[in-house]
Amino acid sequence: EPEVTQTPSHQVTQMGQEVILRCVPISNHLYFYWYRQILGQKVEFLVSFYNNEISEKSEIFDDQFSVERPDGSNFTLKIRSTKLEDSAMYFCASRGGYSTDTQYFGPGTRLTVL
Amino acid sequence: AQKVTQAQTEISVVEKEDVTLDCVYETRDTTYYLFWYKQPPSGELVFLIRRNSFDEQNEISGRYSWNFQKSTSSFNFTITASQVVDSAVYFCALIAYSGAGSYQLTFGKGTKLSVIP
Repeated sequence: EPEVTQTPSHQVTQMGQEVILRCVPISNHLYFYWYRQILGQKVEFLVSFYNNEISEKSEIFDDQFSVERPDGSNFTLKIRSTKLEDSAMYFCASRGGYSTDTQYFGPGTRLTVL
Repeated sequence: AQKVTQAQTEISVVEKEDVTLDCVYETRDTTYYLFWYKQPPSGELVFLIRRNSFDEQNEISGRYSWNFQKSTSSFNFTITASQVVDSAVYFCALIAYSGAGSYQLTFGKGTKLSVIP
């Protein structure tokens, strides 16, 4: 069964460093999402991506964040200069072309900023 | 704006007991979908079910059942004869459809279920 994959599973970085989190969505999906979950809290929407551009972003998704689909399979989230408060689990999700399609999540990348 | 409230932060039950997880939602849109996701200790988010706002039929899948009531804006989840493997955090979520949009999920804060052997 097709699934969303994410790498790495755990990333440790120093404050101020850049990190890139990678996702491979389900192959025939068209919409891609990043969500964030700070430890012990709810899952929060960061950004959605469709047709090679951001379709919507939350107030959390400030200038230090960027997303990209560099090729036909990968979908990346870059954090330019990490802060302690960026420590969280980051989930990638994808869905098909219909607005009512279910979003399927990857296993997440746990980011720890020291 | 949409909102999902899961008032139960943590629930503990003894194995084989039934347990109901509550979910109350708010949206002004008439077309929406409700979801439940399971997050086991390993951390991934596992899709369990979705219901659309026009279908209030309750659903049963094995030991899981869902009760959707528009009158009370609730979408509760019951696990019958709970098992240790059901121990997880369960999230209720909502997508509202109000025209163009990316239709992102709005999650509740989750209910941590612990099933004690």
